[in-house]
Amino acid sequence: QQPVQSPQAVILREGEDAVINCSSSKALYSVHWYRQKHGEAPVFLMILLKGGEQKGHDKISASFNEKKQQSSLYLTASQLSYSGTYFCGTDAGGGADGLTFGKGTHLIIQP
Amino acid sequence: EAGVVQSPRYKIIEKKQPVAFWCNPISGHNTLYWYLQNLGQGPELLIRYENEEAVDDSQLPKDRFSAERLKGVDSTLKIQPAELGDSAVYLCASSRSGQGYNEQFFGPGTRLTVL
Repeated sequence: QQPVQSPQAVILREGEDAVINCSSSKALYSVHWYRQKHGEAPVFLMILLKGGEQKGHDKISASFNEKKQQSSLYLTASQLSYSGTYFCGTDAGGGADGLTFGKGTHLIIQP
Repeated sequence: EAGVVQSPRYKIIEKKQPVAFWCNPISGHNTLYWYLQNLGQGPELLIRYENEEAVDDSQLPKDRFSAERLKGVDSTLKIQPAELGDSAVYLCASSRSGQGYNEQFFGPGTRLTVL
């Protein structure tokens, strides 16, 4: 079942902060976050694993609430380069079932 | 290291014609994925390979879609015959293994337009 992302879109001024949420109805093994710019491949940002382990870029922070099956991606002091569509991909089978992606959150950073 | 390579980048065909997409994953990555991405949507998994074995093809429309990864390295996805609704971006991704803690690396995709 597809995870639900919110908000669908957000517009920020450079330097402002944003939070993108991802919610699943299934018990999750991990949550993966990707950013995709128009016409380009999705780029890996972070993995959050059941049990608290995280793997990803130092400048990206995120959380995973295992009880609620929710994850949030925190973008602080946003830069123009942060613009794009952010997808969460959820894994309920420890990799056995692949990732199920949400519909994405469109982020626009204005100067 | 070199990224995931896909070709062609763009393909325009008439409906009912066949089409094939090629993917070369990152060296050493055992797991290969084919995704379909419609405009404004997230990627949807079509098929996943562990080496040369298709371990998850439940979402692949087998009446017209086929895929192979003969030597456990590069892969081909084929559609025959193509329909108007197949217009989308076809993404290939790879990871070291299929375990959930491994990130997937995506290729640039093939944008298919069926007329």
